[in-house]
Amino acid sequence: QKEVEQNSGPLSVPEGAIASLNCTYSDRGSQSFFWYRQYSGKSPELIMFIYSNGDKEDGRFTAQLNKASQYVSLLIRDSQPSDSATYLCAVNRRSGYSTLTFGKGTMLLVSP
Amino acid sequence: NAGVTQTPKFQVLKTGQSMTLQCAQDMNHNSMYWYRQDPGMGLRLIYYSASEGTTDKGEVPNGYNVSRLNKREFSLRLESAAPSQTSVYFCASSEGGGGFNEQYFGPGTRLTVT
Repeated sequence: QKEVEQNSGPLSVPEGAIASLNCTYSDRGSQSFFWYRQYSGKSPELIMFIYSNGDKEDGRFTAQLNKASQYVSLLIRDSQPSDSATYLCAVNRRSGYSTLTFGKGTMLLVSP
Repeated sequence: NAGVTQTPKFQVLKTGQSMTLQCAQDMNHNSMYWYRQDPGMGLRLIYYSASEGTTDKGEVPNGYNVSRLNKREFSLRLESAAPSQTSVYFCASSEGGGGFNEQYFGPGTRLTVT
């Protein structure tokens, strides 16, 4: 079983719709979860992080975490063509010093 | 405040040549990382440095060496480049390690080995 799994996509949504990006992870001891956005040919850029079960909102973005189901998602409301990018889920596996494990990313395409 | 910088941006090597990728951060972060990104493989950790004076292997360390020169700088060396090392290399830094420290990435180095 892969440690962090994401659907590769592409996920296509029309402008103004809600885009829902999903990520599952295998290590129940994972402590924190990050969403990065990566435009083609660019480096990953941090969008949000979440540590506790439930929802965390930042502008048009909402991260949702369900540790019992080992599932984290990113909702993008009022999607814009500029949101078209690959979204990477990253998971920190345990407390104390540790590194991030990244999923392979989901490509999002927002059509005007 | 430049964040994380990397040099060079692009490089073409012949098989067997060596080179060093440079990374520097100006955020006073303790931890630094080197990743490679290949199509379909996602980001994979090569080496990291939890703090100045320490380095540790990541998921794919073979064929690479690193040096944490000081708190700001972390270099990645390819001693004898192979075509399998053709990739995009990203350096990242974080305030510390562990679960509650987000990583910030440099712009990347696109390396081709022929």
